Amino acid sequence: DGGITQSPKYLFRKEGQNVTLSCEQNLNHDAMYWYRQDPGQGLRLIYYSQIVNDFQKGDIAEGYSVSREKKESFPLTVTSAQKNPTAFYLCASSMRERVYEQYFGPGTRLTVT
Amino acid sequence: GESVGLHLPTLSVQEGDNSIINCAYSNSASDYFIWYKQESGKGPQFIIDIRSNMDKRQGQRVTVLLNKTVKHLSLQIAATQPGDSAVYFCAASRSLKAAGNKLTFGGGTRVLVKP
Repeated sequence: DGGITQSPKYLFRKEGQNVTLSCEQNLNHDAMYWYRQDPGQGLRLIYYSQIVNDFQKGDIAEGYSVSREKKESFPLTVTSAQKNPTAFYLCASSMRERVYEQYFGPGTRLTVT
Repeated sequence: GESVGLHLPTLSVQEGDNSIINCAYSNSASDYFIWYKQESGKGPQFIIDIRSNMDKRQGQRVTVLLNKTVKHLSLQIAATQPGDSAVYFCAASRSLKAAGNKLTFGGGTRVLVKP
């Protein structure tokens, strides 16, 4: 059963701590993406990767970091430098030539207090 | 850069009626336009896409219209059902050959289906 998974669904952290969000896909997609969604708003691109060992900053990369060591995995680290980290984080993947057809995971809701 | 915006944050529609969700974009270089549906607490789901060389595309109960002259696209849902209640996002993407190809999402329209 192919798909994209994110874990955990809910995550709570204290301010000042780094936290890593997991994203795994078995769709054999080259491209993967991380988005942030705030209440009542659209999706904003944090980072994306079109191939293993390569990634680019999106529109709001400050305070975040990523790695792409394996095709299937694209973890996102929310660092203590991110000023407002509480949000719903969505991971997606696509075929590299079909960036317009992205498959999304179920999301991780991160709450930092 | 690209900006994509939706005209109405909320659309209330009677079950069985047709729904029309509108979206505007700013970059005339955008080549692909996409509609996504997001149900509460879930990730968005691809509905339909249209390329800039088309002005209409139909899917199952959905039709997307593209007007490049005024940089406007719309999603029409025929015979709206309770399961259509969700937030709908439009998104735009530049040509596949453009560097840094990625999607730019609009703010979303919440569709509420009344029984």
